[in-house]
Amino acid sequence: QQQVKQSPQSLIVQKGGISIINCAYENTAFDYFPWYQQFPGKGPALLIAIRPDVSEKKEGRFTISFNKSAKQFSLHIMDSQPGDSATYFCAARGSARQLTFGSGTQLTVLP
Amino acid sequence: NAGVTQTPKFQVLKTGQSMTLQCAQDMNHNSMYWYRQDPGMGLRLIYYSASEGTTDKGEVPNGYNVSRLNKREFSLRLESAAPSQTSVYFCASSELTGTGTEAFFGQGTRLTVV
Repeated sequence: QQQVKQSPQSLIVQKGGISIINCAYENTAFDYFPWYQQFPGKGPALLIAIRPDVSEKKEGRFTISFNKSAKQFSLHIMDSQPGDSATYFCAARGSARQLTFGSGTQLTVLP
Repeated sequence: NAGVTQTPKFQVLKTGQSMTLQCAQDMNHNSMYWYRQDPGMGLRLIYYSASEGTTDKGEVPNGYNVSRLNKREFSLRLESAAPSQTSVYFCASSELTGTGTEAFFGQGTRLTVV
């Protein structure tokens, strides 16, 4: 049973375009929502995170939008670059302080 | 600063063989985790250790055992490997902060069971 559903599975964007990845959750006990970025052959690394009392968080070209009532959150990558090509995972932290991850989105940014 | 170190990086096992995956962190974190990563499945939690001396099952614990040897080290053991355990295994550590929980991951162990 996947508690965090992520879409799309793969995404191809032209350089300079906007990449959007969506996640939805059911567990209202989740209290922290990070996004992780993973390059081939490497472990995931924290990219950006948000708490549910905030609707949006921006760090450079990366923005998280959070809709608590809809139980959805999304990652927007503005001005996407070939170096952004990676797998992106959304996650949510539950009451036991564990992170539950989405299934991942493989992003390819074409030059 | 090494962060989270996993050994080995690659391993091929025959069905029924046993092995232990090693993980060590040098960030003085209390919590450590073992995940497996399979295509289309994301990262699934196998076991975790909230603090030294405690371990708990995650989402997919069957076929695995863990040991929290000390605050730095958390090992994952496969007693009798099966082809279904072919996967990439990641160890992670984390600490609660005022704003959230950042998990730091190792480089992964790619395990193939034939």
